[in-house]
Amino acid sequence: EVQLVESGGGLVEPGGSLRLSCAAAGFTFSNAWMHWVRQAPGKGLEWVGRLKRKSDGGTTDYAAPVKGRFSISGDDSKNTLYLQINSLKIDDTAVYYCMTDDYGGGWGQGTRVTVSS
Amino acid sequence: QSALTQPPSASGSPGQSVTISCTGTSSDVGGYNYVSWYQQHPGKAPKLMIYEVTKRPSGVPDRFSGSKSGNTASLTVSGLQAEDEADYFCASYAGSSSLFGGGTKLTVL
Repeated sequence: EVQLVESGGGLVEPGGSLRLSCAAAGFTFSNAWMHWVRQAPGKGLEWVGRLKRKSDGGTTDYAAPVKGRFSISGDDSKNTLYLQINSLKIDDTAVYYCMTDDYGGGWGQGTRVTVSS
Repeated sequence: QSALTQPPSASGSPGQSVTISCTGTSSDVGGYNYVSWYQQHPGKAPKLMIYEVTKRPSGVPDRFSGSKSGNTASLTVSGLQAEDEADYFCASYAGSSSLFGGGTKLTVL
């Protein structure tokens, strides 16, 4: 069973940075496509970016609004996915989820990022 | 790229069937067999209900089914139950990105 636990959210001033983590268990992390998805208060889901499995190149892709500011990486030895967020904007305020559709699929509980002065 | 288009709401009575559509383009929904559907109850994380257009993860009731025709994917919930009341989101692979739909609030009358 896919288990995902995010951490690292918090209150940050505009222009600040955060690194979110997602600890994975119950499946082979290096064989999964891993995604970050965010949900602003009262809004729908927005795809942020992904890390492809090693056999598919292990590369990353990003949504246009975050390209150049967000960076996704993974540590196979720790079964952990990361999201480095720089130059935070008010509009980045959201709950950030990590998720995968592989191995039966699964989402974490989310970590809240609030950008405010 | 724009979000996929879903109706904002849908409804049905217990026992009835309801279908939610998800319309994209030939660059996303129509171009790949990688459409997923997620259920989200208020205050909870989403849950995968359908992946690769028609496949159901273990544990998802067979009342939930997916299909696709051209640039439009659909989620059908048969034999509606009270616990099916939730928001439903579609998502599609789109080459160098992925896209979500705006979500559909399903109400069980």
